[in-house]
This record gives sequence, structure tokens and C-alpha cells, in this order.
Amino acid sequence: GAGVSQSPRYKVAKRGQDVALRCDPISGHVSLFWYQQALGQGPEFLTYFQNEAQLDKSGLPSDRFFAERPEGSVSTLKIQRTQQEDSAVYLCASSLDPGHGSGYTFGSGTRLTVV
Amino acid sequence: SQKIEQNSEALNIQEGKTATLTCNYTNYSPAYLQWYRQDPGRGPVFLLLIRENEKEKRKERLKVTFDTTLKQSLFHITASQPADSATYLCALDPEAGTALIFGKGTTLSVSS
Repeated sequence: GAGVSQSPRYKVAKRGQDVALRCDPISGHVSLFWYQQALGQGPEFLTYFQNEAQLDKSGLPSDRFFAERPEGSVSTLKIQRTQQEDSAVYLCASSLDPGHGSGYTFGSGTRLTVV
Repeated sequence: SQKIEQNSEALNIQEGKTATLTCNYTNYSPAYLQWYRQDPGRGPVFLLLIRENEKEKRKERLKVTFDTTLKQSLFHITASQPADSATYLCALDPEAGTALIFGKGTTLSVSS
């Protein structure tokens, strides 16, 4: 597609519920990143894929967070047993070849509210 | 600890003036530094990238400088317009192709 597509745009979850957030990157983009953005803050890195390989998951805040990209295109970020502190905007970005200095294309994000 | 700071949380200027935003970092030797624009409810939009061996990069009314000695980047918008009002994010790419590290952003308001 023309851009990075994220769904749903908004998600309200009851505390303890599991959620799944989807990211459709730009076709052909090798690298895919997930970020978490709290209100008034910059995006914070969660995890990074190159094709289907998860190369870095050091930013995932707990073992309740899990990401996958099984076929090297669409990615899903799953949060189990959601907590109030998980409320944030979750951004997905893709890049053709970030190692050669191309910028990242971000989706509009999924705003997760845990009540 | 490693830090990236954007000195002003908010910057208010008059239309037609030049806006200058500052990004300082410590304990990094970034391969690249990038600037993004973010509007409310939207994801960041890539504006400019500058490499560690470049001093300055321009694109239309935008100019970015990168001083690796001072560990600082300046982002300039000349002839600013109300449509330039947004949050501007500075981001480091420490290892060329790994995760970007973002500052908190500076919210620019341009009044007519």
C-alpha cells in the first residue's frame, strides 16, 4: 500500500484482557519497528524486525508483550493481561533500508486505553 | 546514561520568522540524526536525515545542522507559516539501521 496501515485506530480494553495490534508495512520494506508513545513524550522503542527475524526486543517492557512477523510482512503486537500503565499510542514504522540512511515511515498508531 | 534532549518543550513565533529548534545528546556517537514532524493524532512524518560526516542539509525551507563535537543538531524553518505548527521530534540512529532513539519533541506554534 501507499503507507503504513495500523488497526484498530482505537482500542479500549478492560484490565486483564489480551489485545492484538496489527501493522501492515509498506510493501517491500524489510525493516519493521514498534514504538510506544505516552502522552507528551517521544516514541520509545519496543522491538525491531528484519524480514521475519526479530533482531531486537530489548524495549519490550515485560513478558506480557509479544510481537511477531511470521511471513516478513504484516506484524502483530500482542499484549497479554493488559494493565493501566499499558495505555499509550502504539506506533509501527517500516523502512526499506535503514542501514543506508532512509527515513522511517510511520503509521498513525493504535491508541490503547486500559480501563 | 544516554540522553537526547530537545531544549524547548514549546516555541511560539510570528509568521515569517525563522524557527530554530535544538537537539542535544550525550553518550552517543550516532551514525545519523533525523528530524520528524508529528501532528496531533498522527504518526511522525520523516523530514530530514543528516549523517555524521555532514555539517548541513537543506530541503526547501528546512535546514538541519549537525555538530558532532558539540553533540548538537539545530533544525531551522525559514519563513515560517501557521501550517508549520506541529511537534518536531529529533531522533538518533546510533548504529545505522537499528532502532531510532527519540527526544520528547518541541511543539512549535506559528501565529499569523
